[in-house]
Amino acid sequence: NAGVMQNPRHLVRRRGQEARLRCSPMKGHSHVYWYRQLPEEGLKFMVYLQKENIIDESGMPKERFSAEFPKEGPSILRIQQVVRGDSAAYFCASSWEGGGEAFFGQGTRLTVV
Amino acid sequence: QKEVEQNSGPLSVPEGAIASLNCTYSDRGSQSFFWYRQYSGKSPELIMFIYSNGDKEDGRFTAQLNKASQYVSLLIRDSQPSDSATYLCAVIRDSGGSNYKLTFGKGTLLTVNP
Repeated sequence: NAGVMQNPRHLVRRRGQEARLRCSPMKGHSHVYWYRQLPEEGLKFMVYLQKENIIDESGMPKERFSAEFPKEGPSILRIQQVVRGDSAAYFCASSWEGGGEAFFGQGTRLTVV
Repeated sequence: QKEVEQNSGPLSVPEGAIASLNCTYSDRGSQSFFWYRQYSGKSPELIMFIYSNGDKEDGRFTAQLNKASQYVSLLIRDSQPSDSATYLCAVIRDSGGSNYKLTFGKGTLLTVNP
């Protein structure tokens, strides 16, 4: 009974590189959410996806950030041309239905050097 | 006014005592309320959710919701050192079709002293 799986757990990128964060939802869950937790800050909503659809990306920075949840495979959060301010913990969550109880993965801790 | 407010703590209680964690929210249209526990460096873990006014009990945990006062709390009975963590209050606002977006408070750090 695997939970939400995220990889990598830790990711170090130099400024200007790309970061790709992966998330496989819990079995049976088709709703995926990405949240970001900056140091000393609360969790902030970024994007909500269902298979092949972005439902709400209102929390995503307008530039450099994108997300997808293809028909096959994990959801991907992609950050292009990373900057130091992107350093944070990125958590993926999934739920069985929109607005239902969401369960979080272990997170990817991104460090930009 | 912040959407979801929590006292950052730290809240320190002795082992065996009742820990009381509080949360207020600003949007009266909020419908769903969640408590997550987050150990340092780990992911948030869902421990309770409540949708209706009143109390909801699950083992040593009791969630209390008062929509009129826009207040939700979490009581932890017989606190254990293993309960030491940051407790996050989260709310889903059922307005504008965004009935899936969790809005989190910054969390309250709880320390249970042996």
